[in-house]
Amino acid sequence: GAVVSQHPSRVICKSGTSVKIECRSLDFQATTMFWYRQFPKQSLMLMATSNEGSKATYEQGVEKDKFLINHASLTLSTLTVTSAHPEDSSFYICSATLRFRGRVDPEAFFGQGTRLTVV
Amino acid sequence: QKEVEQDPGPLSVPEGAIVSLNCTYSNSAFQYFMWYRQYSRKGPELLMYTYSSGNKEDGRFTAQVDKSSKYISLFIRDSQPSDSATYLCAMSASTNAGKSTFGDGTTLTVKP
Repeated sequence: GAVVSQHPSRVICKSGTSVKIECRSLDFQATTMFWYRQFPKQSLMLMATSNEGSKATYEQGVEKDKFLINHASLTLSTLTVTSAHPEDSSFYICSATLRFRGRVDPEAFFGQGTRLTVV
Repeated sequence: QKEVEQDPGPLSVPEGAIVSLNCTYSNSAFQYFMWYRQYSRKGPELLMYTYSSGNKEDGRFTAQVDKSSKYISLFIRDSQPSDSATYLCAMSASTNAGKSTFGDGTTLTVKP
């Protein structure tokens, strides 16, 4: 299957600093990438949908100025958590979907996730 | 009420048992049904993908979709300790394929 690489896998930062998480599709072009947040023993909560070359679409309740998403190329999307606070500590996961013959497949390929701890 | 309901478990079975994992949903627009497996502190990986109603088999795994009942299942035959993980169901409407709604996941432990 398609491979999505997410980096870093774990990061600890001080409160007030910013953290950038990268999501790369290694062997395919991802026209759309998704960013999720997952709390312990809970499911994935979609934060935003990122389309190459356009602004991200954020889900209701997600602060776009706090969670900056950039999708500059067909293989890279980044999520920057700005002015991080302890309540931002969570597991962040990206996923990408394929476009084949003009149709987007619903199956998503996930990155390994990033464990963010803000101290 | 959530669009997708999934029993969180935990579910514990002996090695070799048949495991049944289930989800129900309320949105009749869902056309694509996926099952993901997630190991602790890792991203989910796709196990099975089914379009509309019917069965799909892949090795020890069988996915079933009953759209009339809005009910989907994943069966694992001859379960192994390596199957111990959290299993997430996910669903997507055909008009917005790629933006899935996930269940909360069922935690499975297969004991040797």
